[in-house]
Amino acid sequence: GAGVSQSPRYKVAKRGQDVALRCDPISGHVSLFWYQQALGQGPEFLTYFQNEAQLDKSGLPSDRFFAERPEGSVSTLKIQRTQQEDSAVYLCASSLERGDSYEQYFGPGTRLTVT
Amino acid sequence: QQQVKQSPQSLIVQKGGISIINCAYENTAFDYFPWYQQFPGKGPALLIAIRPDVSEKKEGRFTISFNKSAKQFSLHIMDSQPGDSATYFCAHTESGSARQLTFGSGTQLTVLP
Repeated sequence: GAGVSQSPRYKVAKRGQDVALRCDPISGHVSLFWYQQALGQGPEFLTYFQNEAQLDKSGLPSDRFFAERPEGSVSTLKIQRTQQEDSAVYLCASSLERGDSYEQYFGPGTRLTVT
Repeated sequence: QQQVKQSPQSLIVQKGGISIINCAYENTAFDYFPWYQQFPGKGPALLIAIRPDVSEKKEGRFTISFNKSAKQFSLHIMDSQPGDSATYFCAHTESGSARQLTFGSGTQLTVLP
């Protein structure tokens, strides 16, 4: 079946521009997570949705980062006034969250480069 | 603050050999321990996972060994193949949390042909 998809795969933004990154989770998956992965590092948690509710945004690095999932399916991560330190791969993961299943499935990521 | 310490940072193994990657954690509230494999330009892919009430889990050539008292868990890759060359991450979730994953720093595995 179809996995998690993300678009665009690559994004180059000039410092100060706004960007929007899209995530299409696996159909029927209740939970959706965003992670940020710097070069050579493990992914770091940004935010979590259960259906359309954003239940945890403790990992968002600043108020320039905003995420939404208005209909409980597709999610968008928006970064306003991008800075060079925002350059990273942004990963989306979804999870069925049924019973005690904690398995998260990742998309290919969006590589953001801020120049 | 790193909540799980992963070692080694890099590992080179001959084809057919055993690759072993270790992780150590501190918080006993962690209750789910997956291993992810990541190839360049790809997202992490779930390999195998274990809960602390089980000491070992095997799936094909991949085995997780879990030592609850030592707060350590490891990934063993038997009969390592060049196609296994990738970066491997251990991770955990915490009971009562949103189930977000906290990852180790990663191990770059190279299997020589």
